[in-house]
Amino acid sequence: DAGVTQSPTHLIKTRGQQVTLRCSPKSGHDTVSWYQQALGQGPQFIFQYYEEEERQRGNFPDRFSGHQFPNYSSELNVNALLLGDSALYLCASSLWPVGVNTEAFFGQGTRLTVV
Amino acid sequence: AQKITQTQPGMFVQEKEAVTLDCTYDTSDPSYGLFWYKQPSSGEMIFLIYQGSYDQQNATEGRYSLNFQKARKSANLVISASQLGDSAMYFCAMREGPNDMRFGAGTRLTVKP
Repeated sequence: DAGVTQSPTHLIKTRGQQVTLRCSPKSGHDTVSWYQQALGQGPQFIFQYYEEEERQRGNFPDRFSGHQFPNYSSELNVNALLLGDSALYLCASSLWPVGVNTEAFFGQGTRLTVV
Repeated sequence: AQKITQTQPGMFVQEKEAVTLDCTYDTSDPSYGLFWYKQPSSGEMIFLIYQGSYDQQNATEGRYSLNFQKARKSANLVISASQLGDSAMYFCAMREGPNDMRFGAGTRLTVKP
């Protein structure tokens, strides 16, 4: 049973560039959430996708956008990269509907460095 | 406002001893869930234990137990018989209703041989 897989594992980009991160959810899961984890901090919620629509969004600018495909996989796009976007980006999958007891399964993350 | 507070940036424990990691939370929603995750240096968040706001008993999962004090809004993680492999970051998280998880800043646990 494949868990959550993310690609790439590491990425270095230049300020101002655009980046796309990818996530395949755990088998059987249909909901994908993205988190940003800056160094020394806890994960911060970016957004959640279900049925190819953004369902919830955290306090992130429009430079952060996403997409979910019919096979439930997802992409996170970040435009006009800033140095402050350097972080570990975590993808989590779960089953819809999301309730208080819904466990999220996480991938190993993509470490993005903006130089 | 910070929803989840973990006041211990770092903790040390001797191998085979027990350790308590603190977590307090803030919510006005009567229905919520509390989670603890372990994050080793590899980056993956590993689910440890869950406590629902309506659960009458404290949750336990093997060597992990959750000391849930609802009136004090605290959900401390207790790890018994610490092992070297327990060295990692530990995060407390809360889910209110259908909303997504909010995490604390984490506690780095180091187990000494």
